[in-house]
Amino acid sequence: AQSVTQPDIHITVSEGASLELRCNYSYGATPYLFWYVQSPGQGLQLLLKYFSGDTLVQGIKGFEAEFKRSQSSFNLRKPSVHWSDAAEYFCAVRGQGAQKLVFGQGTRLTINP
Amino acid sequence: EPEVTQTPSHQVTQMGQEVILRCVPISNHLYFYWYRQILGQKVEFLVSFYNNEISEKSEIFDDQFSVERPDGSNFTLKIRSTKLEDSAMYFCASSEQGTSFWPQHFGDGTRLSIL
Repeated sequence: AQSVTQPDIHITVSEGASLELRCNYSYGATPYLFWYVQSPGQGLQLLLKYFSGDTLVQGIKGFEAEFKRSQSSFNLRKPSVHWSDAAEYFCAVRGQGAQKLVFGQGTRLTINP
Repeated sequence: EPEVTQTPSHQVTQMGQEVILRCVPISNHLYFYWYRQILGQKVEFLVSFYNNEISEKSEIFDDQFSVERPDGSNFTLKIRSTKLEDSAMYFCASSEQGTSFWPQHFGDGTRLSIL
């Protein structure tokens, strides 16, 4: 069965600083990996996805993520955060042929001015 | 950009009552999903639906729950005889196809409060 771990429940960074949110997955084969963002009172918005090919994927809002099979990780990064990036970020995995997404616990990002 | 829309945004219901949560998926999407997020917990998969049938469901999705596509645009989740522990945010999602690399697009959710 698939599982996802986001080790950091809450991260605070200063505006303009770089960001890395960690995600580790457990799945026996090549996973399909996703990052979603949830702003307060809103739904889950897809930031980016990975399923094959280049291990560094670009997403919306200046985010990128790198798939590292050896570490079972799919960390999300942004070189310079903006106050509007304050939100909850969810990593999710989907197995081959599976319908469901399996989500991590989420990481709440706070931005200091 | 097309969106998944959910109504109502907040539903308050007495324990034991039935509730129907409504969703309008993106128009050209063929696969529909319900997830829930109990406060402070992970987003959990409930059910997926394709071609007027349930294609996958979790152990949470027991006889208390049902889904339906009553017309060409709506997708509903019915919860019978609600319990306090059904209080959660319920998200509807849709995808163009069902294979794993097609992303699921989520609505803003319905917050269900059981009193």
